[in-house]
Amino acid sequence: GENVEQHPSTLSVQEGDSAVIKCTYSDSASNYFPWYKQELGKGPQLIIDIRSNVGEKKDQRIAVTLNKTAKHFSLHITETQPEDSAVYFCAASNDNYGQNFVFGPGTRLSVLP
Amino acid sequence: KAGVTQTPRYLIKTRGQQVTLSCSPISGHRSVSWYQQTPGQGLQFLFEYFSETQRNKGNFPGRFSGRQFSNSRSEMNVSTLELGDSALYLCASSLDGLAGTKQFFGPGTRLTVL
Repeated sequence: GENVEQHPSTLSVQEGDSAVIKCTYSDSASNYFPWYKQELGKGPQLIIDIRSNVGEKKDQRIAVTLNKTAKHFSLHITETQPEDSAVYFCAASNDNYGQNFVFGPGTRLSVLP
Repeated sequence: KAGVTQTPRYLIKTRGQQVTLSCSPISGHRSVSWYQQTPGQGLQFLFEYFSETQRNKGNFPGRFSGRQFSNSRSEMNVSTLELGDSALYLCASSLDGLAGTKQFFGPGTRLTVL
C-alpha cells in the first residue's frame, strides 16, 4: 500500500521568512496530493492540492510542487505570518483507494514574531 | 454553506463500553469518510461511505463499524472500548467520493477511554 513520509517534523522560522515542507510517496499510481493545516482543537483544513498532471500550483502565499519521477511533493509558504503556525499534513490518494487518503506524520510549523 | 459537523465534540467512556459518533456532511456531499487521529499513529483511515454503502475500509478491527443514512449523515460505532481507542475521530465529506475529490474535515470528536 501507499506510504507517505514527511520532513521535517518540526520547523521554526522568523516571521516574513519562507517555509518548505517536503513529502515523499511510495505508490506511483497516486495522483492526487492535498495539503492540510490543523490548528489546535480543530479539524484539518484543506489549504491547497495538486493533481499528478500538474507540476506546480500557487495560491497567494502558498505553493505546491510535484515531482512525479522522484515521487515527492513540497509545500512552500512565503512571507510567513504568526497565524501560519500550525501542524501541516500532506496526503496522497489514487484511484485504487478512492477517498482513502494516506497522510504523512505532520510538520509542526512555528512562526516566530 | 455550513461545514462538516460532528457530535458530540467530547466523550468520556470506560473500557468495555460502546460509543456512537455522528457526522453531518456538507450539504450536497454524498461521501463520508472517517479517520482516527492519535499522536503515535497520526491520521489513519477507518472507512468511507457513499450512498449508504461502505466503499473502502482501512485496517481496523471489526469493533469499528459505521453506517450512512439516506440524507448522507453518518454514524460510527466502536464496541468493547479499549484504552487504545482514545483518539480524535474525524469525519470528512466530499461531493462524490471519486479519487481526487476535495475532502473537507469536521472538528472531530475527542474520545477518552478510561
